[in-house]
Amino acid sequence: DVKVTQSSRYLVKRTGEKVFLECVQDMDHENMFWYRQDPGLGLRLIYFSYDVKMKEKGDIPEGYSVSREKKERFSLILESASTNQTSMYLCASSRGGRGNQPQHFGDGTRLSIL
Amino acid sequence: AQKITQTQPGMFVQEKEAVTLDCTYDTSDPSYGLFWYKQPSSGEMIFLIYQGSYDQQNATEGRYSLNFQKARKSANLVISASQLGDSAMYFCAMREENRDDKIIFGKGTRLHILP
Repeated sequence: DVKVTQSSRYLVKRTGEKVFLECVQDMDHENMFWYRQDPGLGLRLIYFSYDVKMKEKGDIPEGYSVSREKKERFSLILESASTNQTSMYLCASSRGGRGNQPQHFGDGTRLSIL
Repeated sequence: AQKITQTQPGMFVQEKEAVTLDCTYDTSDPSYGLFWYKQPSSGEMIFLIYQGSYDQQNATEGRYSLNFQKARKSANLVISASQLGDSAMYFCAMREENRDDKIIFGKGTRLHILP
């Protein structure tokens, strides 16, 4: 089974802090994604990556950056956390190049910015 | 404009009854795929079922089936013989061939199964 592991289930940080959310997958997937999920808004794509050291902006990249130094790891960075970044963050991975491949998700990180 | 529309924000269904969760989509790409995911209250997103735009038959996975009506751009999820453990949020999603591997999600339907 595919395993996508997010480093924390719950995280509390303060406004202005630099926050790192880590995601690791064990299935050698090419693609990795970061979403945030808010009530009534569904999942919104922040950033994604098709390969090591590659990154693409999603629909809501402002205030975020990402890093993919190794194929299995995709990090989401909040450069200077703000209260409007309080949300559920979901990481996903998928095999590239085949349309029927689902994205596999981690358990999510509930981030609170105080 | 929304690409994926789930018109039912919430549903209540009696245990053991069949459930249909609605999903309509909008695309001009002839090649696309449709997915359904389940999200229990614990938060993880669980992949349930996939339907490709060129698939001749409706997809089925155990108690889950997808009622795919291409002309109507509809991809409803049917859960047969519902169980208490089916209570969760359900998301319909679409991948368009010309948009690489990105998936667009609907806003979800919260399903409550009543004992």
